[in-house]
Amino acid sequence: GAGVSQSPSNKVTEKGKDVELRCDPISGHTALYWYRQSLGQGLEFLIYFQGNSAPDKSGLPSDRFSAERTGGSVSTLTIQRTQQEDSAVYLCASSLALGSPLHFGNGTRLTVT
Amino acid sequence: DQQVKQNSPSLSVQEGRISILNCDYTNSMFDYFLWYKKYPAEGPTFLISISSIKDKNEDGRFTVFLNKSAKHLSLHIVPSQPGDSAVYFCAASALGTASKLTFGTGTRLQVTL
Repeated sequence: GAGVSQSPSNKVTEKGKDVELRCDPISGHTALYWYRQSLGQGLEFLIYFQGNSAPDKSGLPSDRFSAERTGGSVSTLTIQRTQQEDSAVYLCASSLALGSPLHFGNGTRLTVT
Repeated sequence: DQQVKQNSPSLSVQEGRISILNCDYTNSMFDYFLWYKKYPAEGPTFLISISSIKDKNEDGRFTVFLNKSAKHLSLHIVPSQPGDSAVYFCAASALGTASKLTFGTGTRLQVTL
């Protein structure tokens, strides 16, 4: 497809379990971002990847959150020992370069019970 | 601390009239501003942007105005169409941190017939 693809679209998990969220960016886009939107909130920056540079992890809320980007393409966001406050829509975006408009995927709605 | 504020959670406008969505920011380092539009169950899509060196940018029915002294920007949609019904997010970034967009909480626009 031409857009950013995220999977799964919905994930329900029990508190304490680990989850992995996947993002396939637009082909050729060098920059990849993860944001999350909690209920009633704006989008919150989590992490940013640009080419082979070290990622900007400054938005990750705790050390339970990690992300990697393999081969400069697909990215996985991992949340360990999930908590109820992790419930949110997790959005991935990619852009041609830093500063170019972001193209978002449809998000993964995570519910921690 | 909400650095980008959209104080109107919702707005209803009649088809054909002007929609004005407002956004205020507190961080004087912000120098690039964007508007995104979001339909339910979809990721945000980029609409229009403006750099701090300008005070107006126009793209078809969409115009963004920036008042730096007031730290205020607005999105005008003329004429409004039913398909414009969506949530609109204002976002901002600062020079040197273009990877991190700071988003407002969004305004839900409903265009009625």
